[in-house]
Amino acid sequence: EPEVTQTPSHQVTQMGQEVILRCVPISNHLYFYWYRQILGQKVEFLVSFYNNEISEKSEIFDDQFSVERPDGSNFTLKIRSTKLEDSAMYFCASSARGRLGYTFGSGTRLTVV
Amino acid sequence: RKEVEQDPGPFNVPEGATVAFNCTYSNSASQSFFWYRQDCRKEPKLLMSVYSSGNEDGRFTAQLNRASQYISLLIRDSKLSDSATYLCVVNNGNDYKLSFGAGTTVTVRA
Repeated sequence: EPEVTQTPSHQVTQMGQEVILRCVPISNHLYFYWYRQILGQKVEFLVSFYNNEISEKSEIFDDQFSVERPDGSNFTLKIRSTKLEDSAMYFCASSARGRLGYTFGSGTRLTVV
Repeated sequence: RKEVEQDPGPFNVPEGATVAFNCTYSNSASQSFFWYRQDCRKEPKLLMSVYSSGNEDGRFTAQLNRASQYISLLIRDSKLSDSATYLCVVNNGNDYKLSFGAGTTVTVRA
């Protein structure tokens, strides 16, 4: 079964540092997403990406965040200057048909110290 | 009011029991409804979509009540492997983002 691959599985970074979380979506999918889940809380939408541009973003996705699809296969989330409250599990997802048929990656656990 | 609300549980049930729980959503324009399952520290996985007429997938039955804006999930003949957090997920149809509830925890005991 095709899967969404995320690396690294766990990243520890110091406050103020930049981090890049990487994702390889399913190859024939056209819609890409980042979600995050703070420990003990619900899964929250960050951003959706389609046709090489952001199609929607949440209030969480401020100027510290950016996304990129640099080479047609990878989909990255960059956090420019990490804060303690950015500590969370970050899930990448992709879908072939918009809101239907989402597949989530296994997540990157980001710990900011 | 939260976009998607769920009873957090936990629901502790013996093997073989039936367990059911609901979810309410605030946006009457919501178009698509799903139940996802999430195991501890893992990614959400689609359990089933929820259709207007209600639908069944093996031991799992989902119902949608648009008038009252709630969705339900019923698990029959519970197995130990059903222990998980069940996430109610809604999409409003104008975009592709999913709105998640905080989850209902189910623990099935031997």
